[in-house]
Amino acid sequence: SQQGEEDPQALSIQEGENATMNCSYKTSINNLQWYRQNSGRGLVHLILIRSNEREKHSGRLRVTLDTSKKSSSLLITASRAADTASYFCATDAELGNTGKLIFGQGTTLQVKP
Amino acid sequence: ETGVTQTPRHLVMGMTNKKSLKCEQHLGHNAMYWYKQSAKKPLELMFVYNFKEQTENNSVPSRFSPECPNSSHLFLHLHTLQPEDSALYLCASSSPGLAGRPQYFGPGTRLTVL
Repeated sequence: SQQGEEDPQALSIQEGENATMNCSYKTSINNLQWYRQNSGRGLVHLILIRSNEREKHSGRLRVTLDTSKKSSSLLITASRAADTASYFCATDAELGNTGKLIFGQGTTLQVKP
Repeated sequence: ETGVTQTPRHLVMGMTNKKSLKCEQHLGHNAMYWYKQSAKKPLELMFVYNFKEQTENNSVPSRFSPECPNSSHLFLHLHTLQPEDSALYLCASSSPGLAGRPQYFGPGTRLTVL
């Protein structure tokens, strides 16, 4: 069953603007991760937030996690054309820390120069 | 991305062919994964290997046969595929640990089944 659902499915913004993507999930999690994928390429890990964390920063990225609402958001500030990609959330919900991740459908972000 | 390599990058095969996809990781990880990514669908986990042992088979048809000879190499053997198997096949690896397990992906093999 699909664990992560992302919103919006597609987002188009101008360079310099901020982009916000949301992810909702259904079960308790160990951690939630965000990945980026450029067209037809592999995924690149961006950031991991554990279930006992509420906010995390990495450069221009800010991730929040609300376990009571089973949701997370990824904010990219001061976007650049190079940020154009698909962004996926993935949840690690397995007991025993197996590392199994369930990915959402992704948000396609287009940043116009 | 450069820590995990996949070959070939593109593959076109007929339904009666037998081919293999190869994945190699240079990160010292002990877990490796195969995923299938089709258009308009979420990434689908196919197989998981931990310390060379298969720990997950996500109801994958038997025409896909994985092999993990050691912690650095993972293969996906393909035979008698169907056109709907055309997709991007991604390999990933991760390191076991208590602090969460980010996965590192290869660039993928774009498979077309005619």
